Amino acid sequence: SQTIHQWPATLVQPVGSPLSLECTVEGTSNPNLYWYRQAAGRGLQLLFYSVGIGQISSEVPQNLSASRPQDRQFILSSKKLLLSDSGFYLCAWTDRVDYGYTFGSGTRLTVV
Amino acid sequence: AQSVTQPDIHITVSEGASLELRCNYSYGATPYLFWYVQSPGQGLQLLLKYFSGDTLVQGIKGFEAEFKRSQSSFNLRKPSVHWSDAAEYFCAVGGAAGNKLTFGGGTRVLVKP
Repeated sequence: SQTIHQWPATLVQPVGSPLSLECTVEGTSNPNLYWYRQAAGRGLQLLFYSVGIGQISSEVPQNLSASRPQDRQFILSSKKLLLSDSGFYLCAWTDRVDYGYTFGSGTRLTVV
Repeated sequence: AQSVTQPDIHITVSEGASLELRCNYSYGATPYLFWYVQSPGQGLQLLLKYFSGDTLVQGIKGFEAEFKRSQSSFNLRKPSVHWSDAAEYFCAVGGAAGNKLTFGGGTRVLVKP
């Protein structure tokens, strides 16, 4: 069966520090991968999506970047965090057969 | 452009009472519709999905949703809520398999004892 792993679960980082969040999917190949962010009390904002290795589409220009170095690995990064980067980050995947997303358990990022 | 509106930001319901969450969508082609639930601090879990066929869809945890094309709606219902149904609920719309989804702003459900 397919599973999605996201880590770390929680992270507290100072302003100006770098960020790396990782998401991996098991049990499938060539998935579409997504990064979403939930700010406090707000809905889901799509940040990046990828349809293949090295292929990244950015939905919202910001302080973050994404990379897909392997088929089932999706990484969210920042060189210098801002206070406004705080939020709940969710990774999701879908394949080209089924419909809808499967979400990871999320990372709670607090920038202090 | 596709969009989803969930008119109710918060809903409070008594345990054992019925629940209905509204969802209106805008999509230029045949929509694929979804409801997700999110417990605090957790990821989103798929409750149910609609692609075609019977417009009344059954999901997990006793939820169902009805697709009404004429009203561009996909409302979620549960006949009798349990305290464990307190969570945030998201409606989403998408297109072909593998396409990205657009989510509504969510409805937070509080359950009174």
